[in-house]
Amino acid sequence: DADVTQTPRNRITKTGKRIMLECSQTKGHDRMYWYRQDPGLGLRLIYYSFDVKDINKGEISDGYSVSRQAQAKFSLSLESAIPNQTALYFCATSDLSWGQETQYFGPGTRLLVL
Amino acid sequence: GDSVTQMEGPVTLSEEAFLTINCTYTATGYPSLFWYVQYPGEGLQLLLKATKADDKGSNKGFEATYRKETTSFHLEKGSVQVSDSAVYFCALSANAGGTSYGKLTFGQGTILTVHP
Repeated sequence: DADVTQTPRNRITKTGKRIMLECSQTKGHDRMYWYRQDPGLGLRLIYYSFDVKDINKGEISDGYSVSRQAQAKFSLSLESAIPNQTALYFCATSDLSWGQETQYFGPGTRLLVL
Repeated sequence: GDSVTQMEGPVTLSEEAFLTINCTYTATGYPSLFWYVQYPGEGLQLLLKATKADDKGSNKGFEATYRKETTSFHLEKGSVQVSDSAVYFCALSANAGGTSYGKLTFGQGTILTVHP
């Protein structure tokens, strides 16, 4: 079984709809992240959480919100989806060991907003 | 702020050719540097990393050396295979006092296609 799972894997929605993307991990990591990937732009950080009570905005948080329901779960919501939020969304987890860390990514959710 | 610049793609090579993908960065202090690979339809996987100057990361025949004097972390492989076709991302994580801030800054990605 995959260590980091994302649901759904693909989603088509309409402008103005509220949607939620979910991420679960079995790695026991405290840190979790949401990124979006756009062609030619690499990955950009939306939100990150260093533990259940610590949530922080990333580079491009406008139009998004998150919820850290448990150590293993971190959800991303689009309150009112718009077409320029069409992208590939990745969840990642990491654990800080010896002052260094490696991030582990889920398989991604492909979102299309019409 | 921190930034990562990768060579423009896409890169197309024949099997067994030598690969170089350039990566340069801008950051304060001493960041950790990473190469991630994304195979078609999959998420990102860590390929290799280096945490201090002159460190060489290596994995699956790929290598990259952390060059602080040139702020570079170029990815190389001596003989590519068709199975290496993927998107490659260079990334950095800012460090302070040896503790990672934990946020990755990515380059734009380089698409590699290897033909038989």
